[in-house]
Amino acid sequence: QKEVEQNSGPLSVPEGAIASLNCTYSDRGSQSFFWYRQYSGKSPELIMFIYSNGDKEDGRFTAQLNKASQYVSLLIRDSQPSDSATYLCAVRGGGSYIPTFGRGTSLIVHP
Amino acid sequence: EAGVVQSPRYKIIEKKQPVAFWCNPISGHNTLYWYLQNLGQGPELLIRYENEEAVDDSQLPKDRFSAERLKGVDSTLKIQPAELGDSAVYLCASSLVAGAYNEQFFGPGTRLTVL
Repeated sequence: QKEVEQNSGPLSVPEGAIASLNCTYSDRGSQSFFWYRQYSGKSPELIMFIYSNGDKEDGRFTAQLNKASQYVSLLIRDSQPSDSATYLCAVRGGGSYIPTFGRGTSLIVHP
Repeated sequence: EAGVVQSPRYKIIEKKQPVAFWCNPISGHNTLYWYLQNLGQGPELLIRYENEEAVDDSQLPKDRFSAERLKGVDSTLKIQPAELGDSAVYLCASSLVAGAYNEQFFGPGTRLTVL
């Protein structure tokens, strides 16, 4: 059973701070890693993906992957109240095309 | 480019009634997914289609759930009869092809309430 673990939160950060969201996974053969943002009552929206060890930056978002330790993280710099949402980690590969989703971490950015 | 379209957006039915959800994927996307998402949980795959062929349907409760994707484009997911525990959001997603590196795009979902 492939597992993807996330702390459900909520993670509360002040506006302008760095929010750090973490995700661990059980399948060492996993190949691709995705971060989705889901606003309340809306569908998941892809914001970042990463395939290789290290960091990948896109605007205020940085995804970090460490395959040896089996974790992937998402950093959000200069957090804004509009970043308040649930962030889903999805892991794919290892012989399957089906992504396994974590339960999501709720992020609250307060003014 | 239009995104994934789903209808209806909301559905309220009584238990034991049938219900159907419709999905139109992004044009040109060969792979279509149906997910179920319970409150506070991540999406869980019900079935994946590669063109018209249903694959990865091991999580689909086949005694009451059925799905089809005629002509490899639109898809319908049906529940008959619905149970109280089926109340959830049903998400449709599509990707260009299947593969570890292909992005999925989600539709707005159908929120089902079974009374």
